[in-house]
Amino acid sequence: EAGVTQFPSHSVIEKGQTVTLRCDPISGHDNLYWYRRVMGKEIKFLLHFVKESKQDESGMPNNRFLAERTGGTYSTLKVQPAELEDSGVYFCASSPQRGGTSEQYFGPGTRLTVT
Amino acid sequence: AQSVTQLDSQVPVFEEAPVELRCNYSSSVSVYLFWYVQYPNQGLQLLLKYLSGSTLVKGINGFEAEFNKSQTSFHLRKPSVHISDTAEYFCAVSEWLKAAGNKLTFGGGTRVLVKP
Repeated sequence: EAGVTQFPSHSVIEKGQTVTLRCDPISGHDNLYWYRRVMGKEIKFLLHFVKESKQDESGMPNNRFLAERTGGTYSTLKVQPAELEDSGVYFCASSPQRGGTSEQYFGPGTRLTVT
Repeated sequence: AQSVTQLDSQVPVFEEAPVELRCNYSSSVSVYLFWYVQYPNQGLQLLLKYLSGSTLVKGINGFEAEFNKSQTSFHLRKPSVHISDTAEYFCAVSEWLKAAGNKLTFGGGTRVLVKP
């Protein structure tokens, strides 16, 4: 069974440009999460999808970030326009069940560098 | 809201020596507790989790953790480390019995460097 995959693995863009990150969860997992780790800080929650619906987007930093999950399969996270403080590693995770006991399976992350 | 503190950002340890990684949390509600590990160039992998029951939890690769409710701690231990245990370790919590989803709140991570 394939794990959670993320594309690209690295992205270097200039301030003001647009970047789209993609996450493919484990097949059949209804829950999909985005997290971000800014250098030197802890991993922070961004948002949670249940199938194609946004369940919780309380962690999204501002309206420059747009997440979608069309059809309840893969998800994209678009940053437009990118700012320097958006640099960090963006992790995606998926889990099969709702509720606090379900393990989240993480992808390897996308390292975003904004120059 | 919850917060998680990992008291050590880096822990150097010699091969075959024991290691303890400290984790304290703060929460106004009951929580589930997790330890994740990230090996170089990989995603986070679950080591173990505490949901309820016995406060001593055993995980993969010989790791174990003990939940102490009075001290709000969930320290991770391994009696004898290997070179392959070199990685970054993350303590995390999620809200108990929350049906709508279990976003994780992470600590800052502890880098373990095992020396030969």
